[in-house]
Amino acid sequence: EIVMTQSPATLSVSPGERTTLSCRASQNIGSNLAWYQQKPGQAPRLLIFAASTRATGIPARFSGSGSGTDFTLTISSLQSEDIAVYYCQQYKNWPLTFGGGTKLEIK
Amino acid sequence: QVHLQESGPGLVKPSQTLSLTCTVSGGAISSGDDSYWSWIRQHPGKGLEWIGYIYHTGGSYYNPSLKSRVVMSVDTSKNQFSLKLSSVTAADTAVYYCARYLHDGSFDYWGQGTLVTVSS
Repeated sequence: EIVMTQSPATLSVSPGERTTLSCRASQNIGSNLAWYQQKPGQAPRLLIFAASTRATGIPARFSGSGSGTDFTLTISSLQSEDIAVYYCQQYKNWPLTFGGGTKLEIK
Repeated sequence: QVHLQESGPGLVKPSQTLSLTCTVSGGAISSGDDSYWSWIRQHPGKGLEWIGYIYHTGGSYYNPSLKSRVVMSVDTSKNQFSLKLSSVTAADTAVYYCARYLHDGSFDYWGQGTLVTVSS
């Protein structure tokens, strides 16, 4: 099983700041990575797939990068509605696995 | 726009079988060769755990960590797919989501989730 590790677990950020979240895979997954946003009481929402492709309707301030084992989700200018938990997910191998999440908090 | 809705008991006794159904609307469950109908769970305050998927033809794949207790099925006439998890314990208490998994690797549509509590 591929283990996905996200860091940091919690990130305090100010509105307007550029924010970078990290995700590391325990083995090479190529670009087979997706990112999700989950707000309290809601289901996760797909943000990025294929490591860097924005899903339909996702604002341009969200971008993904990386390949192999190290990946990054960047929010160029944090908005208040971006406060949520973010998860990465690999789909290189079965079983599909998720990272433990990074929680964004308002500073 | 595809919509998914979970349904089933919110309370299950230990050692019994958890049964949930996901009803799909806005598209036929049998359309799209690249759609795999999945179950994912989230323990309270924790991360996401993929349980498995079922294809509209009935083919399935389960997470090895749960494989011995999981059975999934599909009913294309009702546009539904289902999850059965046997011999549940308190560790199976979680919010259970159904979702569409695309062959490209992402879960693009999710149900709202349903909390299942295992308790006597």
